[in-house]
Amino acid sequence: DGGITQSPKYLFRKEGQNVTLSCEQNLNHDAMYWYRQDPGQGLRLIYYSQIVNDFQKGDIAEGYSVSREKKESFPLTVTSAQKNPTAFYLCASSMRVGKADTQYFGPGTRLTVL
Amino acid sequence: GNSVTQMEGPVTLSEEAFLTINCTYTATGYPSLFWYVQYPGEGLQLLLKATKADDKGSNKGFEATYRKETTSFHLEKGSVQVSDSAVYFCALNTGNQFYFGTGTSLTVIP
Repeated sequence: DGGITQSPKYLFRKEGQNVTLSCEQNLNHDAMYWYRQDPGQGLRLIYYSQIVNDFQKGDIAEGYSVSREKKESFPLTVTSAQKNPTAFYLCASSMRVGKADTQYFGPGTRLTVL
Repeated sequence: GNSVTQMEGPVTLSEEAFLTINCTYTATGYPSLFWYVQYPGEGLQLLLKATKADDKGSNKGFEATYRKETTSFHLEKGSVQVSDSAVYFCALNTGNQFYFGTGTSLTVIP
């Protein structure tokens, strides 16, 4: 089955630690995205990547970093510089970045900072 | 700028009731419009989409029509079921970025 996997489902981190969230897709999609979701709010774009070895900042990139070394993988690192990292993180992919393209989402990772 | 406005929730309906969730948008150009559904603790799933004016998207009894004159994409279902309880997100795609509404929580009671 084709799809997007995110791991782990739940993640706990102590303040001051960096943590990396995994996102893998086997849909052969060129574009991948990371969103943050807070209770009662919509999704906010953190970073996106249109092709391997290229990525752009979204609306709330501060305190986050990404890499895109392989087409199928787009890991997100939440650094200690992110002031309020507790949230639900969603990874998505689309065939390409285009107006008619649909984004498909993974199951999400819930990050809690203790 | 580009944005999506959804009706505030939560919405509570009895089983078999008619559902409408309002969505209006502001966008430059002619975006594509989407409805996604999110069940508790899960990611978003595409429910339906429309890529141009007057298109109607439909899936699982839900439908929405792309109305350019009123900049709207309201979600409707004629008879809701308990299993439809979820959060519904309206979104637009300008080609450069997706913009999501804040979500509308729906609870259907037996």
